[in-house]
Amino acid sequence: EVQLVESGGGLVQPGGALRLSCAASGFEFPTYWMTWVRQSPGKGLEWVANIKQDGTEKHYVDSVKGRFTISRDNAKNSLYLQINSLRAEDTAVYYCARRQWSLDYWGQGALVIVSS
Amino acid sequence: DIQMTQSPSTLSASVGDRVTITCRASQSIGSWLAWYQQKPGKAPKLLVYLASSLQDGVPSRFSGSGSGTEFTLTISGLQPDDFATYYCQHYNNYPLSFGGGTKVEIK
Repeated sequence: EVQLVESGGGLVQPGGALRLSCAASGFEFPTYWMTWVRQSPGKGLEWVANIKQDGTEKHYVDSVKGRFTISRDNAKNSLYLQINSLRAEDTAVYYCARRQWSLDYWGQGALVIVSS
Repeated sequence: DIQMTQSPSTLSASVGDRVTITCRASQSIGSWLAWYQQKPGKAPKLLVYLASSLQDGVPSRFSGSGSGTEFTLTISGLQPDDFATYYCQHYNNYPLSFGGGTKVEIK
């Protein structure tokens, strides 16, 4: 069974940093692109970043470029999102998802709240 | 960047109704479109990929169609479990983007 479990969310002050993790199981993690998607409270879905199977290719939405870094450790079957210089508008549930062109499996999400 | 526009934003329907949701892309995306269902407090669930291919395990009352810039998701015979919010998403190029969502409510 494919499972994606996010962790690392929490309450952070503006300007702070956080690292989200996503533990993958039930599939060959090194063979898939992986994705982060976020959803602000009461709002729609926003694609955040993608990373290629071997980590050599990464893509970001413009609003997070230079502040967010996606990475992976294939030996640990884990995906990460380093979030720096946090802003109030980054408050959201962050989902990791497996990319099989579309996003076929999603984690349950990790809530990040940016507030002083 | 490609913009995805869904309509309507809210839809009121009854059990048994046939429901159609439209998604328009600001430029041609071929068939690189997916549909997702999301219930409150839950992660999205993939329903349709490549515009018209049903994901394994998704009931056959769901169907997708379209190509280029105009796409539809149809639910033939709405069931109580189908009341949720539906999103389209293109994966033609970067940045990937989602439509604003369509909430299907009980009439």
